[in-house]
Amino acid sequence: DTGVSQDPRHKITKRGQNVTFRCDPISEHNRLYWYRQTLGQGPEFLTYFQNEAQLEKSRLLSDRFSAERPKGSFSTLEIQRTEQGDSAMYLCASSRDGAGADTQYFGPGTRLTVL
Amino acid sequence: AQSVTQLDSQVPVFEEAPVELRCNYSSSVSVYLFWYVQYPNQGLQLLLKYLSGSTLVKGINGFEAEFNKSQTSFHLRKPSVHISDTAEYFCAVGSGGSYIPTFGRGTSLIVHP
Repeated sequence: DTGVSQDPRHKITKRGQNVTFRCDPISEHNRLYWYRQTLGQGPEFLTYFQNEAQLEKSRLLSDRFSAERPKGSFSTLEIQRTEQGDSAMYLCASSRDGAGADTQYFGPGTRLTVL
Repeated sequence: AQSVTQLDSQVPVFEEAPVELRCNYSSSVSVYLFWYVQYPNQGLQLLLKYLSGSTLVKGINGFEAEFNKSQTSFHLRKPSVHISDTAEYFCAVGSGGSYIPTFGRGTSLIVHP
């Protein structure tokens, strides 16, 4: 396993711009999760996929946030019309299709700064 | 609904001393419990998890945790810490068939020489 990778590691953008982050899960992991982590807080769940199906998206922070996993492998998280409050670390994790307590393996995160 | 409370935001300790990081949870159904560690500029790494069975769970790097259902706690312990244990520690709870864990706010463990 090469681990979960995320790209880019850092992104600085101006308010109002769109940004897209990519996550490559561990190969053969069926589930993929996106979280947001702000300073001094734990990861906050955003959405998750089982294969290409997005099974939970009600916790995406607003309709400016969207995620895709078109072929059941890598995933992208897009934020449209970024706001300063979107500045945070965005974490991706993946897990095998197992019981509800399957272990999630996290990537290093993408740190977003909105100026 | 499920929630996690990490009672200490920061725990300073000297090297080779024992440490306990506290975690309390609430959930209306049976739970799974996790401890993750996050080193600076890195993602979270699983230390240990409780699913069922023995209430004492041993993890990596010499850490262990004890599930206490009556006190709804899952405290993390290590008998002797190293400088390299300096990191952020997160407790998380999952329940039932949900694949979505809820994380606590984290405890910063600071090990001094």
